Formats: sequence, C-alpha cells, structure tokens
Amino acid sequence: QVQLLQSGAEVKKPGASVRLSCKASGYTLTDNFLHWVRQAPGQGLEWMGIINPRPGVTTYAQKFQGRLTITADTSTGTVFMELSSLTSDDTAVYYCARSRAGYGDKWGPGTLITVSS
Amino acid sequence: DIQMTQSPSTLSASVGDRVTITCRASQNIKIWLAWYQQKPGTAPNLLIYKASTLERGVPSRFSGNGSVTEFTLTINSLQPDDFATYHCQQYDVEPYTFGRGTKLE
Repeated sequence: QVQLLQSGAEVKKPGASVRLSCKASGYTLTDNFLHWVRQAPGQGLEWMGIINPRPGVTTYAQKFQGRLTITADTSTGTVFMELSSLTSDDTAVYYCARSRAGYGDKWGPGTLITVSS
Repeated sequence: DIQMTQSPSTLSASVGDRVTITCRASQNIKIWLAWYQQKPGTAPNLLIYKASTLERGVPSRFSGNGSVTEFTLTINSLQPDDFATYHCQQYDVEPYTFGRGTKLE
C-alpha cells in the first residue's frame, strides 16, 4: 500500500539548518507532486511548499522563500526538505503529503523538529 | 494569499448529533476545497475533495457542500470515532492555505 516514510525527530539549535527526508513506498515518486506541511504545537496546518519530483520544479510559500529548499532523488524515491536559519518558531511537526490534483491524499507520519538552545 | 476562515474553532456535540463546520475563502476558489480529519498525535486524513467528493473508504455520514467562497462539512449521526479536529484547505491557488481547524469535542 502507499506509504510515505519520514525521517526521525531532531533537536536543533537556533540558527542551524535541518534536512528531512520523505521516502515514497508503494507508488512511483514521479507519478505525483509532493507537499510539505507543518504544524506547530497546538496550532493549525501550514503549507510550506510543493515539488514536482521530475523535473524537480518547486513552489514555496513566500514566508519560507530564501530558507526552504525541497529536492527529489528519483533514483531512491525520496524527497528532501531543508530549512535553514531555524528559530524557536520553527518548532513543529513536519509532514510530507502526496498530492493528488493539489490536495494531500496520503500523508507521512510526521517528523518533530524542536529548536532550542 | 487566500485566507481560509473556519468556524467554529471548537464545537461541542454528542454521539448521534448532526454537526456542520463552515469554511470561508477570502476569494473565489470554485470547488477546489478539501477537508481533513486529524486525531491527536497523528497525520491528517483526507475526507473530502473537490468540495463534495467523498474519498474512498470514508463513511457516508460525512458530506461536503459549497462553492466559490462558502463551504460546509456535515457529519450526520456522530460516532465516537468522529471526535477529532477538522481542517479545510483550498488548492485553487498556491500557496495552498488551510483553515485554523475545528476541534469537535
């Protein structure tokens, strides 16, 4: 069955960068776009960006422009999300979600990123 | 960016009730709206897309309606498993924005 396998929780210091992975299982990565969405503790969902894995074209929410990079390795079926210049406001669970015409039909379990000095 | 306003933020109900959650878009998004259910500590789960199309496997007590800027999610005959948080999302224009969520308790 379709699964998105996400990397494990991390703790980062302010100013650092984090790189998360999301591996597609049960389907071919290049058949769908893939979203990244985050959720701060007790808050709603926040859309961050999307990638078309082949040819690797991305769109980012303006809020994250300049510090968000989403890439895809089609040979391994994995998408990566790198967020730089972390602050405590970036503490959140980060989800990847397979896109079907723009909405997320399958979601990964999420990765908790904690930013703390 | 398109703003999505969900109401209410919290909804108290009982098993067997019929409840309705509203989502308003700040501009015309035609029918490009999805609804998700999320339980604590888990990822969102797709319920409805294209405003009113039920995702495969979702119980028929869930229904969606609306177009342009006004949308509703209705749950008929609430079951214990339905107590969760519900999110709307527009996918007409990037960034694909979400509402702030409605907690059904």
